[in-house]
Amino acid sequence: SSELTQDPAVSVALGQTVRITCQGDGLSKYFGSWYQQKPGQAPVLVIYGRNNRPSGIPDRFSGSGSNPGNTASLTITGVQAEDEAEYYCNSRDSTGDHVVFGGGTKLTVL
Amino acid sequence: EVQLVESGGGLVQPGGSLRLSCIASGFNFNTYDMHWVRQVPGKGLEWVSGVTSAGDTFYSNSVKGRFTVSRDNGRNSFHLQMNSLRDEDTAVYFCARETVTMSGWFDPWGQGTLVTVSS
Repeated sequence: SSELTQDPAVSVALGQTVRITCQGDGLSKYFGSWYQQKPGQAPVLVIYGRNNRPSGIPDRFSGSGSNPGNTASLTITGVQAEDEAEYYCNSRDSTGDHVVFGGGTKLTVL
Repeated sequence: EVQLVESGGGLVQPGGSLRLSCIASGFNFNTYDMHWVRQVPGKGLEWVSGVTSAGDTFYSNSVKGRFTVSRDNGRNSFHLQMNSLRDEDTAVYFCARETVTMSGWFDPWGQGTLVTVSS
């Protein structure tokens, strides 16, 4: 399969910790990445590789993945109100020629 | 500042054509693979096409044979020629830089350009 599967929605109380997961065959061969997208804005890379954050991304964002395995996770520790957004995972597919995205997880901060 | 700026979106009739452009600045463009990703309003992200630094091209099954990606390293730009457009091609089209070749890690993204296919 060339798809990545995410839970459609997750909610978390302000200040708590949330984990968002992504599953798919491509993740058994490639480390994926995670994107935050707020309404009307372009996606922003928040985690890439095993657990790397681009400059400017708060350290409350972290990533993990099972390797070998086909699951990746994004964890937000001490969730802030501004973290409410849609989160997408992606990776190369199992052939390496294409890129696939998960369907997205809408994070609601209570 | 690393930046990508798309242009060329608009309204086009089914069966028509449109050419999107993405202008890059702030980095050594000719050493990076570049991609197009689209998003139907209110829906998820869909990878469309990519072009490597060497000029090799790749397409999703949904656009293969209709879309053509190209790059102009001298002008720090790359393009998406979209032919035989269908209603289902209506989306915001983003361009993005792949930070490490073959990684699938995209950063940054452009602001997006809206393509509307409708009669």
